[in-house]
Amino acid sequence: EPEVTQTPSHQVTQMGQEVILRCVPISNHLYFYWYRQILGQKVEFLVSFYNNEISEKSEIFDDQFSVERPDGSNFTLKIRSTKLEDSAMYFCASSVGAGYTFGSGTRLTVV
Amino acid sequence: AQSVTQPDIHITVSEGASLELRCNYSYGATPYLFWYVQSPGQGLQLLLKYFSGDTLVQGIKGFEAEFKRSQSSFNLRKPSVHWSDAAEYFCAVEGKNSGYALNFGKGTSLLVTP
Repeated sequence: EPEVTQTPSHQVTQMGQEVILRCVPISNHLYFYWYRQILGQKVEFLVSFYNNEISEKSEIFDDQFSVERPDGSNFTLKIRSTKLEDSAMYFCASSVGAGYTFGSGTRLTVV
Repeated sequence: AQSVTQPDIHITVSEGASLELRCNYSYGATPYLFWYVQSPGQGLQLLLKYFSGDTLVQGIKGFEAEFKRSQSSFNLRKPSVHWSDAAEYFCAVEGKNSGYALNFGKGTSLLVTP
C-alpha cells in the first residue's frame, strides 16, 4: 500500500535555528498538507498546497513557516527561526481529493 | 463557528465489550467526516470516512460509524473491543469548500482492560 514518508522521525534543534522537515507524498496525489500536534493536544491544520502554491493556511502558519515542493517528489516544511513552542509532532499528508493519507510524523523538539 | 466535539476525553472498556465513541460537529452544511486512530508515538491511520450515501459506513479493524444528520453526529462503534484497540481516536471534519483542510476533535483516549 502506498505510503507518505517523512524524515527525520525525530529532530532536536536549538531555539532560533532553522529546520526543514521532509516528506515524500504518494506519487499520484495532487494535494499536500502539513499538520502539527503539540503533545497532549489535538491535531491542527497548518497548510495545504496544490498546483505548486499554497491553497489554504491556518493562522498558525505565520511568516516563520514556509513550504516548498522542490522537485517532483519531495514536499518540505521550513521553520526559519524555531521557538520552544514549535516543539510538536509534525505530520505530512497527501491526497487525490477529499480524504487523505498521513505520514508517521516528525517529532521536533526545540531546546 | 465550525467545530468538532468529542465529549469523552477518556473511555475505559473491558476486552470483548462493545464500544461507542461520540463525535458531534457544527458546520453549515454536511461535511465530509472521518475517524482516525493514533497509537502511541505513531501516525494517524484512517479508520473510515463518510462522504455521502449510506449513513452507516464500515471501516477497517471491525469499526463502523453512523452519520446522523439530525443530531450532527458521527459516532464510532465496535461490537467487541480487543486489547490492541487501545489508542487515541480522532474524529475529523472537512468542510466541502475548505480546500480539504481537516478540523480535528480533541480526541478520545481508549483504555482496554482485561
